[in-house]
Amino acid sequence: DAMVIQNPRYQVTQFGKPVTLSCSQTLNHNVMYWYQQKSSQAPKLLFHYYDKDFNNEADTPDNFQSRRPNTSFCFLDIRSPGLGDAAMYLCATSRSAGGGEQYFGPGTRLTVT
Amino acid sequence: AQSVTQPDIHITVSEGASLELRCNYSYGATPYLFWYVQSPGQGLQLLLKYFSGDTLVQGIKGFEAEFKRSQSSFNLRKPSVHWSDAAEYFCAVGTGKLIFGQGTTLQVKP
Repeated sequence: DAMVIQNPRYQVTQFGKPVTLSCSQTLNHNVMYWYQQKSSQAPKLLFHYYDKDFNNEADTPDNFQSRRPNTSFCFLDIRSPGLGDAAMYLCATSRSAGGGEQYFGPGTRLTVT
Repeated sequence: AQSVTQPDIHITVSEGASLELRCNYSYGATPYLFWYVQSPGQGLQLLLKYFSGDTLVQGIKGFEAEFKRSQSSFNLRKPSVHWSDAAEYFCAVGTGKLIFGQGTTLQVKP
């Protein structure tokens, strides 16, 4: 089945230790998104790629970076995780940037110790 | 400003009872409208969407939603709730980037 896959599902990292979360998709969608979701809150968009074009949200901290080496894969890098970065990180895709539904992966739960 | 409001943070219904989750939005034009469901520790699953046309849309798992332009609302309904419907429900609007409501937690009593 075509889908959005996130690895790992659970990630534990130490305060200040860089961590990378990965997302892959078999939908061949042009757009990939990264969201941060804290407990009992709505997902918050961090950034998205339209093909190779990177679009950062204005309030996304510089600590968060992303890479999209090809259509299928997208990575979220947190350079120096703080305790406040502990959250669920959701990857999503959509066929185009002009509208339409987004397809979400199962998420990666990040714990910072 | 663009926004989505889900007035009910938490709703409890009995299994077999009907359900309505409210969603109001503020947007410059008629947006695309979505309802997503999230089970604990999982990603978001699309229940239904409205782009244009018939204002009553049918979704998966027996859910439906009605778009009312005059009220800027897109309420989600289900005639008979099942225990497996217990989850977090998010209304979202947008024409590209999505704006999410804060979510409504549904609890189902046996």
